[in-house]
Amino acid sequence: GAVVSQHPSRVICKSGTSVKIECRSLDFQATTMFWYRQFPKQSLMLMATSNEGSKATYEQGVEKDKFLINHASLTLSTLTVTSAHPEDSSFYICSASGQGLGTEAFFGQGTRLTVV
Amino acid sequence: GQSLEQPSEVTAVEGAIVQINCTYQTSGFYGLSWYQQHDGGAPTFLSYNALDGLEETGRFSSFLSRSDSYGYLLLQELQMKDSASYFCAVSRRGQNFVFGPGTRLSVLP
Repeated sequence: GAVVSQHPSRVICKSGTSVKIECRSLDFQATTMFWYRQFPKQSLMLMATSNEGSKATYEQGVEKDKFLINHASLTLSTLTVTSAHPEDSSFYICSASGQGLGTEAFFGQGTRLTVV
Repeated sequence: GQSLEQPSEVTAVEGAIVQINCTYQTSGFYGLSWYQQHDGGAPTFLSYNALDGLEETGRFSSFLSRSDSYGYLLLQELQMKDSASYFCAVSRRGQNFVFGPGTRLSVLP
């Protein structure tokens, strides 16, 4: 099956700093990548959808200037949490889809972000 | 808009059968998927239904009724390792998924 690698798996950062999370499709071309956030004991909430080479589409209520998404190639998308605050502490997960991969969403391993 | 409903918690014993229901309201419906997530892990794909009826994959089966905007996941011969959260997800155009609130399944010995 298709493999999506997300890095880092865990990160602790100081309040006010920025953190970059990478999502890579290892064996397929990801035409679309999705970024989700998940708080403890809650569901996955879609933050944004990114298509290679174009600007990301953000869900209502998600600050695009705070959560910068770049999808510069067919195998890499990045999420940068800028000026992180403790309330941004969460589990961030990416998923990717590509042509010929059917209807299954392929998820990265997730990134546990803790802002102190 | 779109919304999905699932029971928040289900408890069952090893060897039993459990059914997790999901009702949805959405536009642009393509299909209903089910994902399993263990604590601290990423979701893993279990099944997908685009047409009405039952899909069986080993111990897991999934059902969809498009006219009723309803589906369920059936887990048979429960094992301790099945303790996890289960999410139904509606797939829309562009493989955009909207996830339900999740059902936490606890399997007791």
